[in-house]
Amino acid sequence: NAGVTQTPKFQVLKTGQSMTLQCAQDMNHEYMSWYRQDPGMGLRLIHYSVGAGITDQGEVPNGYNVSRSTTEDFPLRLLSAAPSQTSVYFCASSYSLGRETQYFGPGTRLLVL
Amino acid sequence: GIQVEQSPPDLILQEGANSTLRCNFSDSVNNLQWFHQNPWGQLINLFYIPSGTKQNGRLSATTVATERYSLLYISSSQTTDSGVYFCAVTQGGSEKLVFGKGTKLTVNP
Repeated sequence: NAGVTQTPKFQVLKTGQSMTLQCAQDMNHEYMSWYRQDPGMGLRLIHYSVGAGITDQGEVPNGYNVSRSTTEDFPLRLLSAAPSQTSVYFCASSYSLGRETQYFGPGTRLLVL
Repeated sequence: GIQVEQSPPDLILQEGANSTLRCNFSDSVNNLQWFHQNPWGQLINLFYIPSGTKQNGRLSATTVATERYSLLYISSSQTTDSGVYFCAVTQGGSEKLVFGKGTKLTVNP
């Protein structure tokens, strides 16, 4: 199993540009989620999904969009990037979001100029 | 929402020393997990431990849910133990995992 994969590893954007961060898992997990990690802040939940076609907001959802058309994929969209979105983004999956082991991807480092 | 506080924020050890990391939470939880983030940024789950005690090699964890805290013990520390240790919880019917700010551990040779 490849586990949780994320692409790209690193991205530089200009303010106002859009992009999609990709996340895929091959463990047949129902639950997937996106976090951002900022210095001194720990990880904060952006959006999560409890299954294909079902998504919900986390702690810091503004400026981000998600969809879940398949069990395997959970892309995160930035519609109009802002410098405040400079961060490291992690995707995670599990059989149950809160009640079981979370498996994390390697992360995407995003810099917005 | 629930608050998760970890202490100490930073810890520096010599190889071979033991350490205890603490996680306090402000309300009852139905899930608690410990994670290790290595210096390259990879997050690895260490323990799923909403209550009780678990051990895995040199690492062990104890959660006392009634007193709202969890402890992570690292014995005979090695340089590869360096990184940031996070505690994360969910509460009630929520599916949202809330992280503490972490403890940064540095193990010197």
